[in-house]
Amino acid sequence: ETGVTQTPRHLVMGMTNKKSLKCEQHLGHNAMYWYKQSAKKPLELMFVYSLEERVENNSVPSRFSPECPNSSHLFLHLHTLQPEDSALYLCASSQAIRGAQYFGPGTRLTVL
Amino acid sequence: QKEVEQDPGPLSVPEGAIVSLNCTYSNSAFQYFMWYRQYSRKGPELLMYTYSSGNKEDGRFTAQVDKSSKYISLFIRDSQPSDSATYLCAIGTGAGSYQLTFGKGTKLSVIP
Repeated sequence: ETGVTQTPRHLVMGMTNKKSLKCEQHLGHNAMYWYKQSAKKPLELMFVYSLEERVENNSVPSRFSPECPNSSHLFLHLHTLQPEDSALYLCASSQAIRGAQYFGPGTRLTVL
Repeated sequence: QKEVEQDPGPLSVPEGAIVSLNCTYSNSAFQYFMWYRQYSRKGPELLMYTYSSGNKEDGRFTAQVDKSSKYISLFIRDSQPSDSATYLCAIGTGAGSYQLTFGKGTKLSVIP
């Protein structure tokens, strides 16, 4: 595997389900990010981890819970989501604070 | 005023044309600039990264930054149908924050 990988690529869940999104980066970077991409809106940063510590959290509802067990892996735990949470969820990584961010292919999430 | 403005298009050009994509920004603290290409149902792919005013060239792509006017551009020479995608500008301050501010993206179609 190369670059940034994400699983699953597609996810359909009900409002009462609990699921997790997984991201893995193979670039040796030390920062990882979760973004939300909705139609006709700019990319929205959700969380940033640097050296496995959360450094930014952009007022994201508590139904989204990130986890970064090491510098290569990032998870986004989902529970009791709302239909408006349906979107493309993108993971990215970078080397240091000014480093270019490299994105994974995304998970297309649909909440019924 | 939004921090980053980008014309959403759509922009349609014939194959071989020179394409100009633009973003304007309002925050003079922005220090580094990126352009991403995003194909339908894929994650954004980094095309260009620059942190200084002036031009940076990579193959058929040229990124231009004018910090005095708060204006950035991406030029695509000899455009190809494979260039058909959405192009996103992304700008960061790097000053203690990992956050990038993205434009909404310009959808480009190159017609054979």
